[in-house]
Amino acid sequence: DAKTTQPTSMDCAEGRAANLPCNHSTISGNEYVYWYRQIHSQGPQYIIHGLKNNETNEMASLIITEDRKSSTLILPHATLRDTAVYYCIVLRSNDYKLSFGAGTTVTVRA
Amino acid sequence: DVKVTQSSRYLVKRTGEKVFLECVQDMDHENMFWYRQDPGLGLRLIYFSYDVKMKEKGDIPEGYSVSREKKERFSLILESASTNQTSMYLCASSPGDRTNEKLFFGSGTQLSVL
Repeated sequence: DAKTTQPTSMDCAEGRAANLPCNHSTISGNEYVYWYRQIHSQGPQYIIHGLKNNETNEMASLIITEDRKSSTLILPHATLRDTAVYYCIVLRSNDYKLSFGAGTTVTVRA
Repeated sequence: DVKVTQSSRYLVKRTGEKVFLECVQDMDHENMFWYRQDPGLGLRLIYFSYDVKMKEKGDIPEGYSVSREKKERFSLILESASTNQTSMYLCASSPGDRTNEKLFFGSGTQLSVL
């Protein structure tokens, strides 16, 4: 099963873009990359997911490298409410289980 | 909007008690999950279910069991609670479509075992 590696923490200035990297060098061809975030004391919230192509929705953009070994989540205009732990996870190819690692703690500063 | 409801936000139990954590989802989702979350360890999968009466072990099933008698309800059972089971427990559901395993989470139950 593909594992992911994310930085432990990062800071971002309010109003600027936040770029969150994730490495998943052992990802299989049919595995999707998912991003979630968790604001303190709440359950995780889905952000975006993708397979090969770049994706964009109202919350963020997901850029997946051509070899699919890494991806970047982009929050285009970070706000203080984007302060959270962000999880990059890969859907296992042999079952429906999603597992979460430690994630990246993102702090948006005014 | 999908709603995943966990029966209690906070729960305090004594060592050795049998504990039931209930979770209900209202979107006819196939899959349901139980996670626990501890500081520095992220979310760890305890059990999941992909159909009524079906269950599979996650990464840390020891000391837990589950029940899914109806599609919308997934219960986590601690047969004999221990202090190391003090944690935040999160329930989630997903549609069951492999191209879209978007998880919807409940608000969590903070369980303290004394």
